[in-house]
Amino acid sequence: NAGVTQTPKFQVLKTGQSMTLQCAQDMNHEYMSWYRQDPGMGLRLIHYSVGAGITDQGEVPNGYNVSRSTTEDFPLRLLSAAPSQTSVYFCASSSLLAGRSYNEQFFGPGTRLTVL
Amino acid sequence: SQQGEEDPQALSIQEGENATMNCSYKTSINNLQWYRQNSGRGLVHLILIRSNEREKHSGRLRVTLDTSKKSSSLLITASRAADTASYFCATNRNTGGFKTIFGAGTRLFVKA
Repeated sequence: NAGVTQTPKFQVLKTGQSMTLQCAQDMNHEYMSWYRQDPGMGLRLIHYSVGAGITDQGEVPNGYNVSRSTTEDFPLRLLSAAPSQTSVYFCASSSLLAGRSYNEQFFGPGTRLTVL
Repeated sequence: SQQGEEDPQALSIQEGENATMNCSYKTSINNLQWYRQNSGRGLVHLILIRSNEREKHSGRLRVTLDTSKKSSSLLITASRAADTASYFCATNRNTGGFKTIFGAGTRLFVKA
């Protein structure tokens, strides 16, 4: 049981380049999410999904796309990288609870992205 | 905007002492969660408290929730050097979708 895995661990991009951050979980969780964490700050929600084919925006969605074709995978795409997107990106998953709520989130190890 | 705000921002104590961190939030919630993050690593879930619960324990951790004041506290008893980390509260709101809002965290340093 690998939990939540993320690839790559580190990435350097040039302004304007695009890339996909991969996230996978093997716990059959319905809920998956992407966060970014800037130095000395908490996590900010980028996008989330409550099941295959269902995604929604979080607090800071601009410049990012997501899709959820399977329960296991939830990739995050940077369309045209900007220096403001330099951050650590975390993927998380959770099981859903009744009443539009969800359980504890399991986090991946993160991807450190630098945009030059 | 950040819903959860932790207080204090940083806390330095001696091993064996208790550490208390507070979290305030702004809107109604389904549950509130506390996470720990060791430097440079992913977050680890510590405890979840539902909106109809007032107190919860897990080992050396005690969490309280006061929905009338929209606040929560995390108490770590008999702290150890290994408790050195950042601690975040996260709220799961009951409106506006499945959005989790994290606070900026409390950095705890436990001196051996």
